[in-house]
Amino acid sequence: ETGVTQSPTHLIKTRGQQVTLRCSSQSGHNTVSWYQQALGQGPQFIFQYYREEENGRGNFPPRFSGLQFPNYSSELNVNALELDDSALYLCASSLYGSYEQYFGPGTRLTVT
Amino acid sequence: EDQVTQSPEALRLQEGESSSLNCSYTVSGLRGLFWYRQDPGKGPEFLFTLYSAGEEKEKERLKATLTKKESFLHITAPKPEDSATYLCAVQAAGNTPLVFGKGTRLSVIA
Repeated sequence: ETGVTQSPTHLIKTRGQQVTLRCSSQSGHNTVSWYQQALGQGPQFIFQYYREEENGRGNFPPRFSGLQFPNYSSELNVNALELDDSALYLCASSLYGSYEQYFGPGTRLTVT
Repeated sequence: EDQVTQSPEALRLQEGESSSLNCSYTVSGLRGLFWYRQDPGKGPEFLFTLYSAGEEKEKERLKATLTKKESFLHITAPKPEDSATYLCAVQAAGNTPLVFGKGTRLSVIA
């Protein structure tokens, strides 16, 4: 069974740029959730994708957007990067309606 | 609004010194309470799900318990490899997102 994978591992961007982060869900899982984790904080929910559509969104502006593909992999796109976007971005996969989410290793984004 | 508060923020134990981590929560209709372990710079690793008050689950040196207002993660005779941040999260009824606490940073010294 393949776990959740994310790419890239680390990324450095300049304020105002755009970034795309990628996630491959665990085998058999059809739902992907994205979280932002600032240093010393717990993960904060960004949004969830199921059947290639957004299925719930946290308190994040529209410049955070996503996609889910037919193979259940997903992308997180962030436009007009701000310094406060520097964080660990986590992807979690699950079966829709299931209680448990399994996290990937995360992508560390630094905005300078 | 669903809320999770974890205490203490940090805990330093000697190897073999048992202790407990606390997770207090406020949620409208608990669907599940989750414990995760997170190593520095890594994603959270799933440990336990608890569904109802009175439930207990164990895994090696860890035991999680649940009441109507809080959960405890008991660590018995910890080892240095248990050092990590332990995160608690709750999910309310319906397909709602996980709400996490800030975590407890545990250090076990040999």
